[in-house]
Formats: sequence, C-alpha cells, structure tokens
Amino acid sequence: SQQGEEDPQALSIQEGENATMNCSYKTSINNLQWYRQNSGRGLVHLILIRSNEREKHSGRLRVTLDTSKKSSSLLITASRAADTASYFCATRYGGATNKLIFGTGTLLAVQP
Amino acid sequence: GAVVSQHPSWVICKSGTSVKIECRSLDFQATTMFWYRQFPKQSLMLMATSNEGSKATYEQGVEKDKFLINHASLTLSTLTVTSAHPEDSSFYICSARDQKVGYGYTFGSGTRLTVV
Repeated sequence: SQQGEEDPQALSIQEGENATMNCSYKTSINNLQWYRQNSGRGLVHLILIRSNEREKHSGRLRVTLDTSKKSSSLLITASRAADTASYFCATRYGGATNKLIFGTGTLLAVQP
Repeated sequence: GAVVSQHPSWVICKSGTSVKIECRSLDFQATTMFWYRQFPKQSLMLMATSNEGSKATYEQGVEKDKFLINHASLTLSTLTVTSAHPEDSSFYICSARDQKVGYGYTFGSGTRLTVV
C-alpha cells in the first residue's frame, strides 16, 4: 500500500497550546499536502510543500518536510477549539494521473 | 476559488439497488476527478481515477463492475454503486484538480451512503 502513516492517531490539548502531527510516507513524491476534515464533512486544503522545500508557513500553520526521512510535520500554534478536526497528510505521485494518497490521519481535539 | 459540488449529501437505499452519486466542478474544467471511500474513523482510500472521455482507472482491490464511474463531460463525474450491500455503506468523496490555480485539490462535501 502506498498509504502513509500519521502519528499520533489522536491528540487532545488545551486551547492556546501547540499541536504537532507527524506524517511518514513511502515513496518519492512531487509534493506533500495537509488537509483538514471536520466530522462527516469534505476536506479542506491547508498547505502544500514541494519536494524541494524544507519548511513552509501559513498563518498559525508550520509545515516541515524531510525527504531523506520521508516525513513531514504539521504544527498548529496557539490552538483554538475550532481547530478540532481530523488532519491528513497527502502525497501526490507523479505520472499521468497525479493521484493523491492520504495518510492515516490524526484526530485533534482542542479543549476550551 | 475552485468549487466541487457533490450530490446527494446522504442517501439510504435498500440492498440490491443501485445508487448514483454526482460530482461537479462548478467553476472550472476537470479532465481528471478522483473518487475516495472513507469508513468511520478511518482515512480516505482512493478507489479510482475518473478520466474525461475514457475509462476510469481503478485501484487494486476495487471492483470496477460494482463501482461504475462515468466522466462524460469536463465538469461532471458520476459514481454508481451497483447492487449495493450493507458493507458498501460508507462516506464517498470526490475531488478534482484545477490546474489553473496550482497544485491543490478541491474536494466535494461527500456522500453518506447507508444500505439497509
């Protein structure tokens, strides 16, 4: 299976704390993306990092990528209760289809 | 921004019947769309890649005769679950990529299928 793995599977923190999620993948990639999913809903694209980038920021989000270790991390700073959701990394494989393969996901719960 | 509309948002059907789910790109053309299935508290599993004007490409283990995909136009792909069984109950999500706005993929809001 090409599916990547994320850890932790679940994370519970207090508002204001930082949340870090990690993602590992298996093969060479063009880019890695992070998505958020509220319960029973579709996915929202958060941030994309290309294979030649090591770090990227967007608002309270910070993403790192280590292609030598085939891993990425997502840091959410100063978390809010509204950040409660599932977070997935997804890797895009090249070729004609450009399909997106998702990791196993991290369920984040931010307690008010 | 790019919008993908998916209908219905939920459907309940009887075992043995077929259900069609539509995925439309509202403000862009999508030569390729993707169909995913998600079981409760699990990740999204890619089922197939829908190609406009040609046959879909199915992932290993996905029955192409059971999950019929049609991509007749640049803005519409449909997934038909044929002869549905309770084990087909799941959350189905489509996505499309608007190449004009970079590398991000836009997802539909999903369809909750319950087979009774």
